Amino acid sequence: LAKTTQPISMDSYEGQEVNITCSHNNIATNDYITWYQQFPSQGPRFIIQGYKTKVTNEVASLFIPADRKSSTLSLPRVSLSDTAVYYCLVGALTSGTYKYIFGTGTRLKVLA
Amino acid sequence: ETGVTQTPRHLVMGMTNKKSLKCEQHLGHNAMYWYKQSAKKPLELMFVYSLEERVENNSVPSRFSPECPNSSHLFLHLHTLQPEDSALYLCASSASTGMGEQFFGPGTRLTVL
Repeated sequence: LAKTTQPISMDSYEGQEVNITCSHNNIATNDYITWYQQFPSQGPRFIIQGYKTKVTNEVASLFIPADRKSSTLSLPRVSLSDTAVYYCLVGALTSGTYKYIFGTGTRLKVLA
Repeated sequence: ETGVTQTPRHLVMGMTNKKSLKCEQHLGHNAMYWYKQSAKKPLELMFVYSLEERVENNSVPSRFSPECPNSSHLFLHLHTLQPEDSALYLCASSASTGMGEQFFGPGTRLTVL
C-alpha cells in the first residue's frame, strides 16, 4: 500500500501561490493521486485528481512527475478562506483493490 | 451542502450501548463509504459499498456493523465500543467505485465513555 508523506503545516500570505508536495514512493500502477480540502467540523471536499503529468481545474493544478513518486498541489493566489487542511491520497477503488490511503494532511494557514 | 447528510451530528455512548449512525445521499450515486477520522491520524477507509453490496471491509472490528438497505442510505451499527473508538465518522458517496470525486457528509462526532 502506498503511504503518503506531506509537510505538517505551511504558512502563506494572501495573493501568493502555494505549492504543497506529497511523497508516495510506493505508489502502485493503478493508483490515482487525489487531493482533498477539509475545514473544521466539515467533511473533506474534493480538489483535484490525476494519474500522471499535469492536471488543472478552476481551483488548482496538480503536477505529477514521470516516476509518480511524488505530486504537487498548486493553489494560485490563495485567500484567507483557503486556510484549511489539505490531504493527499493515493489509491484505487476498483474491483479487487479498494484501497485509499490518506496522508496526515498539511495545515495551511493563509495570513493577511 | 454536499448532498450527503449524516445523523446524529454528535453522539455520546457508553461501552455497553448499541447505537446507529445514519447517512443519506441525495446525489443518485451508486457507491457509499464509511471513514474514521481520529485526532492526529489520517482518515481511514472502513467500508465500501457498491450497488448496495459490501465490497470492502478494511479489517474493521466486528463491533462496527455496516448496513446498506438501498443505494441512498448507509448505516453504521455500533455495539460494545471502546473509548479508543471515539472519533469523527464520515460518510461519503460517489457515482461509482473507481476513480472520481467522493462527496463527504459533515460527519458524526462519536464519544465513547
